[in-house]
Amino acid sequence: AQSVTQLDSQVPVFEEAPVELRCNYSSSVSVYLFWYVQYPNQGLQLLLKYLSGSTLVKGINGFEAEFNKSQTSFHLRKPSVHISDTAEYFCAVTKTSYDKVIFGPGTSLSVIP
Amino acid sequence: NAGVTQTPKFQVLKTGQSMTLQCAQDMNHNSMYWYRQDPGMGLRLIYYSASEGTTDKGEVPNGYNVSRLNKREFSLRLESAAPSQTSVYFCASSAGQGSSPEAFFGQGTRLTVV
Repeated sequence: AQSVTQLDSQVPVFEEAPVELRCNYSSSVSVYLFWYVQYPNQGLQLLLKYLSGSTLVKGINGFEAEFNKSQTSFHLRKPSVHISDTAEYFCAVTKTSYDKVIFGPGTSLSVIP
Repeated sequence: NAGVTQTPKFQVLKTGQSMTLQCAQDMNHNSMYWYRQDPGMGLRLIYYSASEGTTDKGEVPNGYNVSRLNKREFSLRLESAAPSQTSVYFCASSAGQGSSPEAFFGQGTRLTVV
């Protein structure tokens, strides 16, 4: 069975500083990977996805993530955060396009002015 | 461009009452999901439907039932609500086999059981 681990439940970071949110997954087969963002009192919005090909994936709002198969990781990065990036971030995995999507517990990113 | 629509947005129930959460998508997606979100627990899958006419249990199905009414609609029913079911519920859909696998989410239903 697949699972997703997000090691950091809360990440405080100063405005304009870089940030990395960590995600590790476990699966015995190839997977598709995602990062979603949830702003307060809203639903989840897709930030970026890895399906195949280049291991560096760029998403919306200046975020990017790198797929590392040997380390089974898919860490999310942004070189310079803004106040508006304060939100909950979820890493997710699925095996196929019609399989269930499994989410990690989430990382709360707080950007400090 | 509605996407995934959930109703109601808020609901307060008394213990033992029943209710149905409605979800509809207008993207012609095959797969639909119900998740619950609790603080520190992330999103946990309650039920999912890979296609019209099929449903499967997720991680936390106890106390819930679902109906995939047609391709567009996937409802979640609480037959006898309990305080432990106080949560935020999200419906999602994805295109399914042969298509891009990401899920699209509704805005959520905040349910309180007293």
